[in-house]
Amino acid sequence: GNSVTQMEGPVTLSEEAFLTINCTYTATGYPSLFWYVQYPGEGLQLLLKATKADDKGSNKGFEATYRKETTSFHLEKGSVQVSDSAVYFCALKIYSGAGSYQLTFGKGTKLSVIP
Amino acid sequence: DAGVIQSPRHEVTEMGQEVTLRCKPISGHDYLFWYRQTMMRGLELLIYFNNNVPIDDSGMPEDRFSAKMPNASFSTLKIQPSEPRDSAVYFCASSLSATYGYTFGSGTRLTVV
Repeated sequence: GNSVTQMEGPVTLSEEAFLTINCTYTATGYPSLFWYVQYPGEGLQLLLKATKADDKGSNKGFEATYRKETTSFHLEKGSVQVSDSAVYFCALKIYSGAGSYQLTFGKGTKLSVIP
Repeated sequence: DAGVIQSPRHEVTEMGQEVTLRCKPISGHDYLFWYRQTMMRGLELLIYFNNNVPIDDSGMPEDRFSAKMPNASFSTLKIQPSEPRDSAVYFCASSLSATYGYTFGSGTRLTVV
């Protein structure tokens, strides 16, 4: 089946530190990959996406590259801010037949950035 | 556009009562999804609709749960009777097409006591 594995949190960083949140996936076909962010008390928001191998998604200083050879989509940011504190979800979407698309989420990684 | 709108934001109900959660997707989005989020199980897809038609309801936990989409601008998720283990945050999301990302609502925090 399809699955997403994220590094377990929580992750605590100082402001301006480098961030990496690891994400690997298992899929039976060629998925699209996503990172979503959830701020406290809010719904999930799409942060970035990549639809094919070697694509790089980027937004708000965050980046992730679709690596087919390692089945990974690690999230990175060069200098985090306190406002980046949130829960980050890696997800894949794949066609599962009969007109059905399945979006599968990882468990989420909580990031706390301290001043 | 106001985004995906869910109501109520918070719901506290007694075990055995009927609960109805509501969702208004973004206008023009053909796909609507209902998710449940708990600490133990993370995000679970309950059901999704395409053009108001339920496509995949395999995530609906049991017969106590039902979802409808009578038109393109409104969907409900109903739990009858509710149980304490149904306590969770329920999210609605919509998408322009199957290959696009999803836009989530702010969620309904349900507490069943």
